[in-house]
Amino acid sequence: SQQGEEDPQALSIQEGENATMNCSYKTSINNLQWYRQNSGRGLVHLILIRSNEREKHSGRLRVTLDTSKKSSSLLITASRAADTASYFCATRSGGTSYGKLTFGQGTILTVHP
Amino acid sequence: GAGVSQSPSNKVTEKGKDVELRCDPISGHTALYWYRQRLGQGLEFLIYFQGNSAPDKSGLPSDRFSAERTGESVSTLTIQRTQQEDSAVYLCASRTTTSSTSGLEQYFGPGTRLTVT
Repeated sequence: SQQGEEDPQALSIQEGENATMNCSYKTSINNLQWYRQNSGRGLVHLILIRSNEREKHSGRLRVTLDTSKKSSSLLITASRAADTASYFCATRSGGTSYGKLTFGQGTILTVHP
Repeated sequence: GAGVSQSPSNKVTEKGKDVELRCDPISGHTALYWYRQRLGQGLEFLIYFQGNSAPDKSGLPSDRFSAERTGESVSTLTIQRTQQEDSAVYLCASRTTTSSTSGLEQYFGPGTRLTVT
């Protein structure tokens, strides 16, 4: 089973609406990161939240982390057509910050103009 | 500055042939990762290089897969005797080494799309 699992698998909204994606994981983590992927190619880092943090903001992005529920959410406010992409959460398990990330299956977001 | 580059961008090969994929990380990035992404799926970790430490090969799916890295520069991922299930996009990422939060993100290349016929 996957360490990180996003839901929903696909999300379709209108421009201007908010988009919320969720990620659940199974083991304890050091940090959790969200990435965006356009057209099945390279990923772009969006935001990182450490295990001792509960919420972070970056522009139109808001990430929350609930370690007791082993879950995170990514909120994109005032969505734009250009936000259309796949979004992945990735977790770094264990006691150190470094090493491999474990990625979820992703949420495909479509924002209609 | 230049980002992570990968070559070739696309590779079509016949089943049973060997292929070599190349990754040029961002200059100065000590950590380098290889991932595989099958169509419509998430990323599968393959291997991780960190400086001169022994690489973490725990994600390599079989002994047909191997990777090398020379110092803190180029890395090559080799797949021997390719099979159709090896068809995927192979992504490389690099990262600097720092204790601050800003150094933990990975920078990805555009990937190599491998098709095994």
